[in-house]
Amino acid sequence: EDQVTQSPEALRLQEGESSSLNCSYTVSGLRGLFWYRQDPGKGPEFLFTLYSAGEEKEKERLKATLTKKESFLHITAPKPEDSATYLCAPRGSARQLTFGSGTQLTVLP
Amino acid sequence: DVKVTQSSRYLVKRTGEKVFLECVQDMDHENMFWYRQDPGLGLRLIYFSYDVKMKEKGDIPEGYSVSREKKERFSLILESASTNQTSMYLCASSLEVGAGNEKLFFGSGTQLSVL
Repeated sequence: EDQVTQSPEALRLQEGESSSLNCSYTVSGLRGLFWYRQDPGKGPEFLFTLYSAGEEKEKERLKATLTKKESFLHITAPKPEDSATYLCAPRGSARQLTFGSGTQLTVLP
Repeated sequence: DVKVTQSSRYLVKRTGEKVFLECVQDMDHENMFWYRQDPGLGLRLIYFSYDVKMKEKGDIPEGYSVSREKKERFSLILESASTNQTSMYLCASSLEVGAGNEKLFFGSGTQLSVL
């Protein structure tokens, strides 16, 4: 059974204080790992897909990396508008994605 | 951009009522999904459909059914609503499934309260 754990559950940062979110997973036959951002009261919005260990993707202040067991979402010099819940979802050989429960990020001005 | 539209933002229903949640997508996607989202539990798949009139159970199908009569529309039905079905319901669509390129496009969600 595919499993995914995100940590921490919640993270509060000061504006400009860089940090990382973790997504640990156990899936058979990883085909890709997805990161989504979810704002309060809205549906998740796609950020990145990573396909293989060692791959990195960047978008503005966000950088996602992937190893064989985990993925990190690095946030560099965050701004209050980066506040959101970040979800990861590995895709293995199962019929559907398995989503983590998310990390709720709050960036204080 | 793909738009996935859910018919209601908030719904309040009584126990035992039959509830319909409607979802429409405008990008001709083959695949559509219904998830529920609860605090601490993440997104859990209820049902998905990979073609018109085709459906498959997800992780938590009990108490739900679905209908897909047209490609763009996917409906979630709660046959007899119960209080444990109070949740945020999210519809999504995608062009692909299982290939590692299944970027999901989500609607804004329906917050359902069953009293």
